[in-house]
Amino acid sequence: LAKTTQPISMDSYEGQEVNITCSHNNIATNDYITWYQQFPSQGPRFIIQGYKTKVTNEVASLFIPADRKSSTLSLPRVSLSDTAVYYCLVGDGGSQGNLIFGKGTKLSVKP
Amino acid sequence: SAVISQKPSRDICQRGTSLTIQCQVDSQVTMMFWYRQQPGQSLTLIATANQGSEATYESGFVIDKFPISRPNLTFSTLTVSNMSPEDSSIYLCSVDTGQGNTFGSGTRLTVV
Repeated sequence: LAKTTQPISMDSYEGQEVNITCSHNNIATNDYITWYQQFPSQGPRFIIQGYKTKVTNEVASLFIPADRKSSTLSLPRVSLSDTAVYYCLVGDGGSQGNLIFGKGTKLSVKP
Repeated sequence: SAVISQKPSRDICQRGTSLTIQCQVDSQVTMMFWYRQQPGQSLTLIATANQGSEATYESGFVIDKFPISRPNLTFSTLTVSNMSPEDSSIYLCSVDTGQGNTFGSGTRLTVV
């Protein structure tokens, strides 16, 4: 499974757009990019998954450049409740769930 | 997506004892996964539990310390055996929904 590198922490203010970038230089052809969100005292929650270009859902957007060596999770207009740790994972979309987590990015949203 | 019920939610245990954590899923799943999250750290996969066969353990985890049962397609248990303070962690079960994993709320274990 490809290793990922993310910033350890980020600060933002309510109403701002937050972009968290993840590097995965040795991503394999069949690897997907998946992001999870974890609040304190809870298990991680799936946010979004993509393979290339752009994916958008009701929570976030995921931007993946053509070389797929990085990806950016975009959270529009964050609120205090978006304060959490965000994990970027790269692996075979059909790996059936044995996920390998990196250190994640701790996002702090301030009023 | 699947709903996972995990219990106990927390426990404080004496060293040398064992604790069994239960994970119930509201739908049938082929594989269930057990993770450990040590204080302030990321998640580490302990093992993958298949129904009808022995669990597959990741490097650094052994069956004698973390025996797993998987009696049917909706249920699994993880036992933390002969506990020491180093086993104090959050233990989570997880299933693959086909669109990412769903996690239980975790069991916060403190060993004293």
